Amino acid sequence: QKEVEQNSGPLSVPEGAIASLNCTYSDRGSQSFFWYRQYSGKSPELIMSIYSNGDQEDGRFTAQLNKASQYVSLLIRDSQPSDSATYLCAVNYVRVQGAQKLVFGQGTRLTINP
Amino acid sequence: GAGVSQTPSNKVTEKGKYVELRCDPISGHTALYWYRQSLGQGPEFLIYFQGTGAADDSGLPNDRFFAVRPEGSVSTLKIQRTERGDSAVYLCASSLDPNSPLHFGNGTRLTVT
Repeated sequence: QKEVEQNSGPLSVPEGAIASLNCTYSDRGSQSFFWYRQYSGKSPELIMSIYSNGDQEDGRFTAQLNKASQYVSLLIRDSQPSDSATYLCAVNYVRVQGAQKLVFGQGTRLTINP
Repeated sequence: GAGVSQTPSNKVTEKGKYVELRCDPISGHTALYWYRQSLGQGPEFLIYFQGTGAADDSGLPNDRFFAVRPEGSVSTLKIQRTERGDSAVYLCASSLDPNSPLHFGNGTRLTVT
């Protein structure tokens, strides 16, 4: 079983709709969760961090965490064509005290159709 | 600098050659990470430095890969006897401390022919 799993997509959403991206992880001890956006040929860019159960909102983005189900999601409201990118879920696996090892899923490719 | 800087941006080398990839982290960031990303995959963890020491090198695929950070700032990833399977984008990231989010550089695209 992979440590962080995402549906690779592609996920196609009409402009203005809500895009929903999902991620599951295997390590119950994980405490920090991140969503990165990666445009083609570019490096990952942090868009959301979430550390506790529930919702974390930032503008059009909402991250949701359910530690009991080991599930993280990202909602993008009022989707724009500029949101078309690959979205990477990342989970912090602490192996050594004071250190972090950020493990990424394979990413979900999102396309927003005008 | 304003962001994480990686050089070169592209490197083409022949199978069997030695390569060095350089990473200059954001000033003041104590934690530095190397990842490798193949096409269609998420970044794969290679090694993490806290200061000058490698705190976790569990992701290095074999002993042909080695990384250093002698003064706690710039890091160099070294690959000996390169193989075609080493072709990938090598990403460097830094963070203010071990618990802060990572900031990535633009990567070095390595092609082994």
